[in-house]
Amino acid sequence: QKEVEQNSGPLSVPEGAIASLNCTYSDRVSQSFFWYRQYSGKSPELIMSIYSNGDKEDGRFTAQLNKASQYVSLLIRDSQPSDSATYLCAVTNQKVTFGTGTKLQVIP
Amino acid sequence: ETGVTQTPRHLVMGMTNKKSLKCEQHLGHNAMYWYKQSAKKPLELMFVYNFKEQTENNSVPSRFSPECPNSSHLFLHLHTLQPEDSALYLCASSQEGIPNEKLFFGSGTQLSVL
Repeated sequence: QKEVEQNSGPLSVPEGAIASLNCTYSDRVSQSFFWYRQYSGKSPELIMSIYSNGDKEDGRFTAQLNKASQYVSLLIRDSQPSDSATYLCAVTNQKVTFGTGTKLQVIP
Repeated sequence: ETGVTQTPRHLVMGMTNKKSLKCEQHLGHNAMYWYKQSAKKPLELMFVYNFKEQTENNSVPSRFSPECPNSSHLFLHLHTLQPEDSALYLCASSQEGIPNEKLFFGSGTQLSVL
């Protein structure tokens, strides 16, 4: 079982729709959860962090965490073509573990 | 820019060559990292330096040799690499080197080993 699992995609959504990106993790005592965005040929950039159960909103982005289900998600409202990128989920306990990323394509 | 610069952006080398990757962070952070990113694989942590001291070596082959002369500079010396070492090598920094911190990445070096 992968420690941090993401669907590689691509996930295609039309412009203006909600994109939903999902991540599951295996370590029950994981403490911190991050979403990084990586444009093609560029470096990862942190866009959201979440530490407790529930939702955390920042502009068009909402991170959702459910520790009981070992599940973290990222919702992007009003998706724009500029959101097209690979989104990496990262989970930490004693170390940071990354998923393989989900490629998002927003179709104009 | 994120404040972490890496050179070169691209590198092609033969298996017998010796080359070095350079990373510099302008953020005043105390921790620096080397990550390897291969297609369809998660980011793999290679080395961690905290206050210039190596605190983690993730079973990396000895053909990769890191060097951290100060908290702002990090090098990765490469020698006798294998074709499977071809990947994107990312440098990152963070404030204190603890796991739940935000990582700031450089733009990476795309390495091809022939």
